[in-house]
Amino acid sequence: GAGVSQSPRYKVAKRGQDVALRCDPISGHVSLFWYQQALGQGPEFLTYFQNEAQLDKSGLPSDRFFAERPEGSVSTLKIQRTQQEDSAVYLCASSLDRLAGGRVTDTQYFGPGTRLTVL
Amino acid sequence: DAKTTQPNSMESNEEEPVHLPCNHSTISGTDYIHWYRQLPSQGPEYVIHGLTSNVNNRMASLAIAEDRKSSTLILHRATLRDAAVYYCNARGGSQGNLIFGKGTKLSVKP
Repeated sequence: GAGVSQSPRYKVAKRGQDVALRCDPISGHVSLFWYQQALGQGPEFLTYFQNEAQLDKSGLPSDRFFAERPEGSVSTLKIQRTQQEDSAVYLCASSLDRLAGGRVTDTQYFGPGTRLTVL
Repeated sequence: DAKTTQPNSMESNEEEPVHLPCNHSTISGTDYIHWYRQLPSQGPEYVIHGLTSNVNNRMASLAIAEDRKSSTLILHRATLRDAAVYYCNARGGSQGNLIFGKGTKLSVKP
């Protein structure tokens, strides 16, 4: 079946430009996560949605980063006035659901990522 | 969420077993241990997870210490396609996000 897809796969932006990164999760998956991965590092959490509700945005590095998932499926990560330090791979992951009581053991399925380069 | 510690890199020969260790000494009783791996230019992929008992699946085995302060991911016969960065996570609580360290970069020699 179809996995998590992300577009574009590669994005080059000039410093100061706005960018929008798209994530199509696996159909029916309730939870959606965004991670940022700098070169040579492990992924770092940015934000989390349960359906259309953004339950955690504690990892967003600044107010230039904004994410939405208006209909509980496709999600967009927007970065305004991009800076060189925003250059990274942006990963999206989805999981089926959160277990009762908040204890999560569900597998996260990751997309291939969008490699953003800010010049 | 418990902090995890893994070696930066390991080497293996093709078709030999590989034991990838992870320390998570501050793990709580309800934290699950997850392993993911990331092949070059791809997103991470799930490998295995467990709570207390050892677990086996088609990809690997997970051996969890009795005190749960460490675990070992076992690849029974390494192949060249197993060359990747392997991440150990010990996570629980109300947050769903995974916390990745730098992981262990596994190299497999033919």
